[in-house]
Amino acid sequence: GQQLNQSPQSMFIQEGEDVSMNCTSSSIFNTWLWYKQDPGEGPVLLIALYKAGELTSNGRLTAQFGTTRKDSFLNISASIPSDVGIYFCAGQLALGGGADGLTFGKGTHLIIQP
Amino acid sequence: GAVVSQHPSWVICKSGTSVKIECRSLDFQATTMFWYRQFPKQSLMLMATSNEGSKATYEQGVEKDKFLINHASLTLSTLTVTSAHPEDSSFYICSAIKRTGAAADTQYFGPGTRLTVL
Repeated sequence: GQQLNQSPQSMFIQEGEDVSMNCTSSSIFNTWLWYKQDPGEGPVLLIALYKAGELTSNGRLTAQFGTTRKDSFLNISASIPSDVGIYFCAGQLALGGGADGLTFGKGTHLIIQP
Repeated sequence: GAVVSQHPSWVICKSGTSVKIECRSLDFQATTMFWYRQFPKQSLMLMATSNEGSKATYEQGVEKDKFLINHASLTLSTLTVTSAHPEDSSFYICSAIKRTGAAADTQYFGPGTRLTVL
């Protein structure tokens, strides 16, 4: 089946630093999504990308949909303590949300040191 | 916004018993819902697609007779883990698609249900 390779697996940074994480796939996805999951809770959607090459921002978060449709990155600028959590990329074959389940990356665990 | 709830939030049961988990879309109708499973420190894995009024579609390797899915209304899907065993202990998360009529439909996740089988 399809797999998403997400890196890094974990990040230890200082408050205020910028963060970058990415996902690559062996196959094409038509939709890329980035989620944040806090312990014991469901994922919360951060950014959704629907077009190859699309660059989208949500506050301090910026994500891009790779032109090959096989990769995406997420940047967080000026990290704050509440950014701590696990970030997942997810790919979907169907266009614009559609009716396909998501394929998730393995997650990036972000830890912020004060 | 779009709110998806799950009940119960956690459940502990004895091996061999069956457990039902509910997933509700509170402020929108969802013709399609999904069930995922997440083991500790791992990612979410899609188990099945739940379609209102029709049979669920299961991912490869997921036993349909063990994980019974019923999507009887536009706001409710249930997952029943039958004859649960300790290896079924996991975090079960549902999601629901909110149709906006545009190209960008969004999948919203519930808060998850922690199942522990003794």
